[in-house]
Amino acid sequence: QKEVEQDPGPLSVPEGAIVSLNCTYSNSAFQYFMWYRQYSRKGPELLMYTYSSGNKEDGRFTAQVDKSSKYISLFIRDSQPSDSATYLCAMTLPMDSSYKLIFGSGTRLLVRP
Amino acid sequence: DGGITQSPKYLFRKEGQNVTLSCEQNLNHDAMYWYRQDPGQGLRLIYYSQIVNDFQKGDIAEGYSVSREKKESFPLTVTSAQKNPTAFYLCASSIMGLGNTEAFFGQGTRLTVV
Repeated sequence: QKEVEQDPGPLSVPEGAIVSLNCTYSNSAFQYFMWYRQYSRKGPELLMYTYSSGNKEDGRFTAQVDKSSKYISLFIRDSQPSDSATYLCAMTLPMDSSYKLIFGSGTRLLVRP
Repeated sequence: DGGITQSPKYLFRKEGQNVTLSCEQNLNHDAMYWYRQDPGQGLRLIYYSQIVNDFQKGDIAEGYSVSREKKESFPLTVTSAQKNPTAFYLCASSIMGLGNTEAFFGQGTRLTVV
């Protein structure tokens, strides 16, 4: 079993739809939770970053963490064609004197005009 | 502009050759990382370095080697011992560790074995 599970998609939605992207994890030691966006043939860029259970909102994006269920989500409101990309969840695991960043496999999102 | 620069963008390697991927950052970050990305598998950690002249193996270090002689530079060598090197390689850096700080990524190097 992978430490972080993410539905690979692809997920295809019409412009203006609400998108829900999800990841589950198995290790309760994960501390920080992030969502990265990656356009084709580019490096990932950080979208959202959370620590505690609950919701964090930034414009059209909302990140949700449920530590009791080991489940995180990213919601995109009023989706745009420019949101078409691969979305990667990531989590940090404390190791000795540092942290290890573990990624999900990514979900491809296509927003149709 | 500050950031991470990876070169080359595309690299072709013949069977049995070693190749070196460059990663340079001018963000004054202490920590640097190399990831490999394959379709459907997300990012897997190859090596990471928290400080100059020190580095640790990640989850898939076999067939790879790194050096960290300067804070700004963290080159990755893909050796002939790596049996399946064709992949997209990403370098990242962060201020210190990855606990609660953002990891910045380069634009990647696509390596193909011919």
